[in-house]
Amino acid sequence: GAVVSQHPSRVICKSGTSVKIECRSLDFQATTMFWYRQFPKKSLMLMATSNEGSKATYEQGVEKDKFLINHASLTLSTLTVTSAHPEDSSFYICSAIPRGNEQFFGPGTRLTVL
Amino acid sequence: AQTVTQSQPEMSVQEAETVTLSCTYDTSESNYYLFWYKQPPSRQMILVIRQEAYKQQNATENRFSVNFQKAAKSFSLKISDSQLGDTAMYFCAFGGGGAQKLVFGQGTRLTINP
Repeated sequence: GAVVSQHPSRVICKSGTSVKIECRSLDFQATTMFWYRQFPKKSLMLMATSNEGSKATYEQGVEKDKFLINHASLTLSTLTVTSAHPEDSSFYICSAIPRGNEQFFGPGTRLTVL
Repeated sequence: AQTVTQSQPEMSVQEAETVTLSCTYDTSESNYYLFWYKQPPSRQMILVIRQEAYKQQNATENRFSVNFQKAAKSFSLKISDSQLGDTAMYFCAFGGGGAQKLVFGQGTRLTINP
């Protein structure tokens, strides 16, 4: 099956700093990747659609200057949380579609902002 | 906009029993996909089963089957002969035919007791 990895799996940072999360498709190319956010005991909320070689498409209410997405290659998308604050603490999950309509998810990244 | 509703926040059954998780959705699209995802304590999202809206036959995957009622916009998941490893959060998700974005329901926490 298709494998999606995320790095780091867990990160703790100080308020005001920026954090970069990587999402990689290991055995397939993905022109489209998705970034989700999940609060404790809650569902996944789509933040943005990452398109290789073009600007990301953000969902309503998601600050694009806060959550910078770069999809520079067919196997890598990055999410940078800029000037992070405690309210940005969450579980961030990426996904990619190798074929058809089945999304494969990364293992997630737990971000804690102190 | 599409919405997905899971009305059962938590469910608990004994091992080997059959359990049905409910999901309703709302959409004006005619071509779409419906999914059930499992999220165990590891938080890795795992696809359980998928249904194409244009197919009348209900999807089945071993112990997992769905009852897809298109007119009623209902998509329930039945787990037969439940096992301890089925303990997880289960999310129902809607995927539009073109955009490939997923809209998730609130989730149902399923516990299988020995």
